[in-house]
Amino acid sequence: DAKTTQPNSMESNEEEPVHLPCNHSTISGTDYIHWYRQLPSQGPEYVIHGLTSNVNNRMASLAIAEDRKSSTLILHRATLRDAAVYYCILSDFGNEKLTFGTGTRLTIIP
Amino acid sequence: EPEVTQTPSHQVTQMGQEVILRCVPISNHLYFYWYRQILGQKVEFLVSFYNNEISEKSEIFDDQFSVERPDGSNFTLKIRSTKLEDSAMYFCASGWLGTTEVTDTQYFGPGTRLTVL
Repeated sequence: DAKTTQPNSMESNEEEPVHLPCNHSTISGTDYIHWYRQLPSQGPEYVIHGLTSNVNNRMASLAIAEDRKSSTLILHRATLRDAAVYYCILSDFGNEKLTFGTGTRLTIIP
Repeated sequence: EPEVTQTPSHQVTQMGQEVILRCVPISNHLYFYWYRQILGQKVEFLVSFYNNEISEKSEIFDDQFSVERPDGSNFTLKIRSTKLEDSAMYFCASGWLGTTEVTDTQYFGPGTRLTVL
């Protein structure tokens, strides 16, 4: 599985935008970029995914670099509920399993 | 909104005993998964299940583990003879890799905390 690199931790102020980076320099042409998050004492939760173009949904936006070697998850207005570990995961076409790394622990400061 | 449910939320067992962890996936999903997370460690893939058979399994998923979909709704993980190192959170997930999807989005349950004494 292609590897991703994320900062171990980040902090952000409540109601501010948050940009969570992910590097995936060995990404292959068929790898999708997925983001999941895990709130304290809960199961992982799907956030967003994309292939080449930027993506938006009700939870977040995903900005993908033109060369696809990095991506950024954008939370437009962080709330306390967004405090979680965020995982950037590459998944090949039709690949079933998700390979979780250590992710980025996001702390939201009130 | 549909969700994956798991029972029990916490299971305590003695080493060597058999345990069955239960999951009810989202009803129109076709793929089912088990993952585990030892305290303080990464979420690890155990097994995926599709069309009533194992699709992929990890090295962790040895002969002590089995999965079953005994009816149209439940999906179970059995550990035949538990070891201390099986203590972990076990997460069930389901996904729909239908004809219009080329990559799977997985929906996770809240987990079962297994404690082996």
